[in-house]
Amino acid sequence: DQQVKQNSPSLSVQEGRISILNCDYTNSMFDYFLWYKKYPAEGPTFLISISSIKDKNEDGRFTVFLNKSAKHLSLHIVPSQPGDSAVYFCAARAYSNSNSGYALNFGKGTSLLVTP
Amino acid sequence: ETGVTQSPTHLIKTRGQQVTLRCSSQSGHNTVSWYQQALGQGPQFIFQYYREEENGRGNFPPRFSGLQFPNYSSELNVNALELDDSALYLCASSLSHPGRYGYTFGSGTRLTVV
Repeated sequence: DQQVKQNSPSLSVQEGRISILNCDYTNSMFDYFLWYKKYPAEGPTFLISISSIKDKNEDGRFTVFLNKSAKHLSLHIVPSQPGDSAVYFCAARAYSNSNSGYALNFGKGTSLLVTP
Repeated sequence: ETGVTQSPTHLIKTRGQQVTLRCSSQSGHNTVSWYQQALGQGPQFIFQYYREEENGRGNFPPRFSGLQFPNYSSELNVNALELDDSALYLCASSLSHPGRYGYTFGSGTRLTVV
């Protein structure tokens, strides 16, 4: 069962405009949500995160919004740049009492293309 | 500070064989996690090691096993390889309570089982 869903496999945006990437989740026990960016032949790179007790976190051009009642989060990139073209993964962290450890649950990713 | 390094970068194995993948953690990190990323999918959690013991496991069979060493480096071992094991295997290091900074991933090992 997919606990983290990214329903848009791809997104194309013009340079300078806003990119909005969406993510839905089902598990209310997630305590942190993270966005990762991945280029081909590289590992995912941490971008920004948000605690489940917050509703917004901003870091430069990147802002993540969390709507707990809707179990939905989004990543806004403003302004978008061609170098932002990559696959973006939404991930949610859960603590397991049975395992006494954390694990990340990832969505399938959204491929963002920013065109000049 | 050094990041997470994985070896080898690519590997081809035959069905039924065994494979060992290696990972060196980022300096200062004491926890290592392994993820499997199949084509077109997001990474799937395999297991996590802290203080040389497994302290978290995803939905993977026992033929997936691991080790963590005193220097926090780690190995992932897969026995009796199946065709579906073909994937990118990612290692991630973190502090035991990673907080808002998340995990640092390596570039992965691309395993192909034929």
